[in-house]
Amino acid sequence: GAVVSQHPSRVICKSGTSVKIECRSLDFQATTMFWYRQFPKKSLMLMATSNEGSKATYEQGVEKDKFLINHASLTLSTLTVTSAHPEDSSFYICSASPSGNQPQHFGDGTRLSIL
Amino acid sequence: EDKVVQSPLSLVVHEGDTVTLNCSYEVTNFRSLLWYKQEKKAPTFLFMLTSSGIEKKSGRLSSILDKKELFSILNITATQTGDSAIYLCGPMKTSYDKVIFGPGTSLSVIP
Repeated sequence: GAVVSQHPSRVICKSGTSVKIECRSLDFQATTMFWYRQFPKKSLMLMATSNEGSKATYEQGVEKDKFLINHASLTLSTLTVTSAHPEDSSFYICSASPSGNQPQHFGDGTRLSIL
Repeated sequence: EDKVVQSPLSLVVHEGDTVTLNCSYEVTNFRSLLWYKQEKKAPTFLFMLTSSGIEKKSGRLSSILDKKELFSILNITATQTGDSAIYLCGPMKTSYDKVIFGPGTSLSVIP
């Protein structure tokens, strides 16, 4: 149980393109999902908390207009990297948990490469 | 500001060795502490610790939390090459249950 699916797993695109990443909870409902960014050989940096039916909560230093988050249903959150540039290249990964005070389960991540 | 420190950051051991990974934290509104193992993609859950002094075990892995001293340790006995991974610790906060991860410990187990 508690499976989180993330799509796509890999994206390569040109600078200036907007890229949408989907995170789905397959066998549970998640009112809250989390988006992380991970640089090579570095830890997971929390970017934002995605809240179903309301605005996302962004961590300090994360540009809201750059990283648009939408949590339209209890099983889907999307992260859109707008007008992506090479410095946005990274590994993006989402997580969710079935209920409060429970371990988060992670998607397999999306490797984004901006040329 | 929330802070999570893990040590060592990197470790190389031989198969059969026992390792101890450390995690200290300073976070507001602490709820629980989680340990994850990350190999190539998604981190996989190992332990969730909420109470001090109660050891949790899973096979050769065990972990314990000290809420007074604000640290946790993860022990791996009789290490195997399959234990090679990055081990992440992360305090969970009461606000949205969000988890702030430490830098991780990169463990390499050589035959």
